[in-house]
Amino acid sequence: NAGVTQTPKFQVLKTGQSMTLQCAQDMNHNSMYWYRQDPGMGLRLIYYSASEGTTDKGEVPNGYNVSRLNKREFSLRLESAAPSQTSVYFCASSEVGRAITDTQYFGPGTRLTVL
Amino acid sequence: RKEVEQDPGPFNVPEGATVAFNCTYSNSASQSFFWYRQDCRKEPKLLMSVYSSGNEDGRFTAQLNRASQYISLLIRDSKLSDSATYLCVGASYNFNKFYFGSGTKLNVKP
Repeated sequence: NAGVTQTPKFQVLKTGQSMTLQCAQDMNHNSMYWYRQDPGMGLRLIYYSASEGTTDKGEVPNGYNVSRLNKREFSLRLESAAPSQTSVYFCASSEVGRAITDTQYFGPGTRLTVL
Repeated sequence: RKEVEQDPGPFNVPEGATVAFNCTYSNSASQSFFWYRQDCRKEPKLLMSVYSSGNEDGRFTAQLNRASQYISLLIRDSKLSDSATYLCVGASYNFNKFYFGSGTKLNVKP
């Protein structure tokens, strides 16, 4: 099992460009999440998907859109990148996301720089 | 105020020492709690869940104090390999949101 995979690992964009970050999991998990991590801020939830076909906003959704393509894949799109979106982006998944024993498994992250 | 707050450290301790981290949480992040470990430039990985009665996993002990709204992590007999950033996490009541603290950095020195 590969677990949670993310592509690309690194990306540099110019202000105003668009891009999609891809995430896939092979653990048959129901819930998937997108976080960003900035120095001194911890991980902040951007969007989550409790199950296939549903998505909801997290703490910092502005400037992002998501698609839960199927049970395995959850993509994050930046329509018009801004320097404030320079960050490390992590995708995560969990089986249900509703129990104290549920573990979130994280992908290796995408390091995005917006110039 | 952030939902989950931690002392960023760093905590610099010698091998074999006992070290403790605390983390405070708000009402919106108070259903369940976890400690994650994050190595430099890597993804976070679950260290342990925190149960109401407290729980232990080898050298690691987690405690929850709902009255004062804090959780703690105690590491006994520190190893060099324990050097990492430890993230405190609180889940919302419907488990739809997980709030991460900014992390506490631990450096274990020989």
